[in-house]
Amino acid sequence: SQTIHQWPATLVQPVGSPLSLECTVEGTSNPNLYWYRQAAGRGLQLLFYSVGIGQISSEVPQNLSASRPQDRQFILSSKKLLLSDSGFYLCAWTRRDRGEKLFFGSGTQLSVL
Amino acid sequence: GENVEQHPSTLSVQEGDSAVIKCTYSDSASNYFPWYKQELGKRPQLIIDIRSNVGEKKDQRIAVTLNKTAKHFSLHITETQPEDSAVYFCAASSTGTASKLTFGTGTRLQVTL
Repeated sequence: SQTIHQWPATLVQPVGSPLSLECTVEGTSNPNLYWYRQAAGRGLQLLFYSVGIGQISSEVPQNLSASRPQDRQFILSSKKLLLSDSGFYLCAWTRRDRGEKLFFGSGTQLSVL
Repeated sequence: GENVEQHPSTLSVQEGDSAVIKCTYSDSASNYFPWYKQELGKRPQLIIDIRSNVGEKKDQRIAVTLNKTAKHFSLHITETQPEDSAVYFCAASSTGTASKLTFGTGTRLQVTL
């Protein structure tokens, strides 16, 4: 069966510090990968998605970037965090052939202070 | 792009009563409509989904209806139980290689004893 791992679960970072969140998927190949952000009490905002290694599409201009160095690895980064980057970050994946069913990782609660 | 509106933002029902959450979408090309349940601090979990070639789908106490002409779809939960308390999100997608779901803003359902 397929599983998705995301870490860390919680992170407290000072303003201006760098960020790296990692996500890996097991049990499938060539997945579509996504990063979503959820502000406190708000909906889910798509930040980035990727259909393959090195292929990244950005949905919202922001202080963040994403990379996909391996087929089942997706990384969210920032060089300098802003207060507004605080939120619950969720990695997600879909199968390439049945692309609709979206499955989420356990999330990272990021607090920028 | 797609815009999904969800109502109500909060809903309180007594145990055993029914709950209905409604969503509207703007893109007539959308053809896949999932619903997610998110408990506090947890990842969103897919609970039911429907495609545009179907008007209704039921899974035990949960059902979803779709009206393509009016571009709205609804989640119905019957015989509500305390464990149904959570935030529910609707979403819409026009399927493609990378399925980009647009989410509603969520409904916080509280089932009281």
